[in-house]
Amino acid sequence: EVQLVETGGGLIQPGGSLRLSCAASEFIVSSNYMSWVRQAPGKGLECVSALYSGGTTYYADSVKGRFTISRDSSKNTLYLQMNSLRPDDTAVYYCASRKNWGQGTLVTVSS
Amino acid sequence: QLVLTQSPSASASLGASVKLTCTLSGGHSTYAIAWHQQQPEKGPRYLMKVNSDGSQSKGDGIPDRFSGSTSGAERYLTISSLQSEDEADYYCQTWGTGPVAFGGGTKLTVL
Repeated sequence: EVQLVETGGGLIQPGGSLRLSCAASEFIVSSNYMSWVRQAPGKGLECVSALYSGGTTYYADSVKGRFTISRDSSKNTLYLQMNSLRPDDTAVYYCASRKNWGQGTLVTVSS
Repeated sequence: QLVLTQSPSASASLGASVKLTCTLSGGHSTYAIAWHQQQPEKGPRYLMKVNSDGSQSKGDGIPDRFSGSTSGAERYLTISSLQSEDEADYYCQTWGTGPVAFGGGTKLTVL
């Protein structure tokens, strides 16, 4: 059974940085489309970043220049480096492939 | 710009059928999409992929009550024999190598 497990969320002050990790099992991260999708409280789903198997990346305009998606094949793990965090980045962040979702990790940006 | 449009809400009675719509913006009518379900207080779950020719590919364990179809730029999710656990938010998402987008979601109420 495919499992995607996110870690790294937490409470961070505005302007701070966090790195989210998504460890995959029974699934090869580097061979598949992977994405980070967030959901602000009471809101819908928003894809903030995606990484295609060939290496092409996608970033939402709202995070371009601040967030970086990457993967480590040796660890079979996807990452999201988040810099210059703002209060409107507060959300549950999900790691997702085309057909699988993680359980999500909460990021709260507040002073 | 790629936009997926969904009605904010829908309702139907227990045991009845409901058809949810996801409309692709102009020029993108050949895109495949995915449908995801998010039950209250849970993470999203992949339901199926719907292609422009109407063919579908369902996720593991998705009941036959869930089906997808296509008409032009519209992609549909039909749920028959509605059950109480079908009360959820339903999101469509682009599937391909192009822009990544989610629809705003449809909140389905089972009466």
